[in-house]
Amino acid sequence: AQSVSQHNHHVILSEAASLELGCNYSYGGTVNLFWYVQYPGQHLQLLLKYFSGDPLVKGIKGFEAEFIKSKFSFNLRKPSVQWSDTAEYFCAVNKLFSGNTGKLIFGQGTTLQVKP
Amino acid sequence: GAGVSQSPRYKVAKRGQDVALRCDPISGHVSLFWYQQALGQGPEFLTYFQNEAQLDKSGLPSDRFFAERPEGSVSTLKIQRTQQEDSAVYLCASSLPSRGDTQYFGPGTRLTVL
Repeated sequence: AQSVSQHNHHVILSEAASLELGCNYSYGGTVNLFWYVQYPGQHLQLLLKYFSGDPLVKGIKGFEAEFIKSKFSFNLRKPSVQWSDTAEYFCAVNKLFSGNTGKLIFGQGTTLQVKP
Repeated sequence: GAGVSQSPRYKVAKRGQDVALRCDPISGHVSLFWYQQALGQGPEFLTYFQNEAQLDKSGLPSDRFFAERPEGSVSTLKIQRTQQEDSAVYLCASSLPSRGDTQYFGPGTRLTVL
């Protein structure tokens, strides 16, 4: 079945460490790609998205992600994490084909814990 | 408000009861999605509306689940004869009509079925 895989389920980092969260999808066609974040007690918020063009996408709060089509990957990165980045991160894919309604297919999420 | 709102935020139901969950999308957003998020998992698609038309209900897990959006704004997700496996967070999201547009999520309704 077509799916989205997030390899890291729980990541613990110290402040100032670099972050990379993996995301792979199994759909071979054209896709839009998203990273959403859910801070404790808050709702899902868009972190960044890729539709077309430059495969290196910059989002809010210093996050960026790189779309590598040949690897079906869209990994999220941040050079230096802060305690306030503690949250759950979800990768999501919107498959673009005729008749698709735009529904998102989510990975199972990665819990990031940043130690002060 | 500027965001998507959902009510109630928490709902406890006894097995077999019917529940109704409400979603108020962002004003002007044509598209509305419902997702189900089980504990420790990512959200899973349930159903999609474009205005009042339910164009995709492929994710509804059984015929006990029913959704409507009669006037193209507020939407209600109804679950009949709730079962324990229905316990989850139900998320609503809205967006502009282009299928690639960003979806804005509400806070969700946490349903616990005892």
